[in-house]
Amino acid sequence: DGGITQSPKYLFRKEGQNVTLSCEQNLNHDAMYWYRQDPGQGLRLIYYSQIVNDFQKGDIAEGYSVSREKKESFPLTVTSAQKNPTAFYLCASSIAQGGQPQHFGDGTRLSIL
Amino acid sequence: AQSVTQLGSHVSVSEGALVLLRCNYSSSVPPYLFWYVQYPNQGLQLLLKYTSAATLVKGINGFEAEFKKSETSFHLTKPSAHMSDAAEYFCAVSDGRSGGYNKLIFGAGTRLAVHP
Repeated sequence: DGGITQSPKYLFRKEGQNVTLSCEQNLNHDAMYWYRQDPGQGLRLIYYSQIVNDFQKGDIAEGYSVSREKKESFPLTVTSAQKNPTAFYLCASSIAQGGQPQHFGDGTRLSIL
Repeated sequence: AQSVTQLGSHVSVSEGALVLLRCNYSSSVPPYLFWYVQYPNQGLQLLLKYTSAATLVKGINGFEAEFKKSETSFHLTKPSAHMSDAAEYFCAVSDGRSGGYNKLIFGAGTRLAVHP
């Protein structure tokens, strides 16, 4: 079955440390997205990518970085510059066309040690 | 700019009762509208989508939603709640004009509790 795989499920970060969240999809979608979810705030867009080797900042990109070297993969790095990284992170993908639904992975929960 | 408002961050119903989750949107162009469900510690699952083909949209798990342009609403309903419906529900809007990028704007979510 096609889908989106996020790993790890749970991740812990020490102060001053960068951590990378993995997102892989086998849906053959061109567009991929990273969201941050905090209680009571819905989903906020961090970065998105429409095509390989191209990505754009979303609404809350500060303290995060991404790469898109392969169509299937869109890893997110939470850098030490992100002062409040504790959240649930969701990766999604879609057909690169307006009005299409996004398909989501099961998320990674990041906590600070 | 587009936006989505979900009225009621928490809704509680009895098992077997009607479920009504409210969503109002603003959009300067005909919107594409979606409802997603999220169970604890999981991703979002698409319940249904409105893409202008019909104003009453049927989705999975017995849910349906009606697009009302005059009220700018897209409320989600289910005639009879089941315990397994307890989850968080998100309404989302897209303007469909993304030129290769499909941006969704999400509401803040409504947590549905179902009690016996």
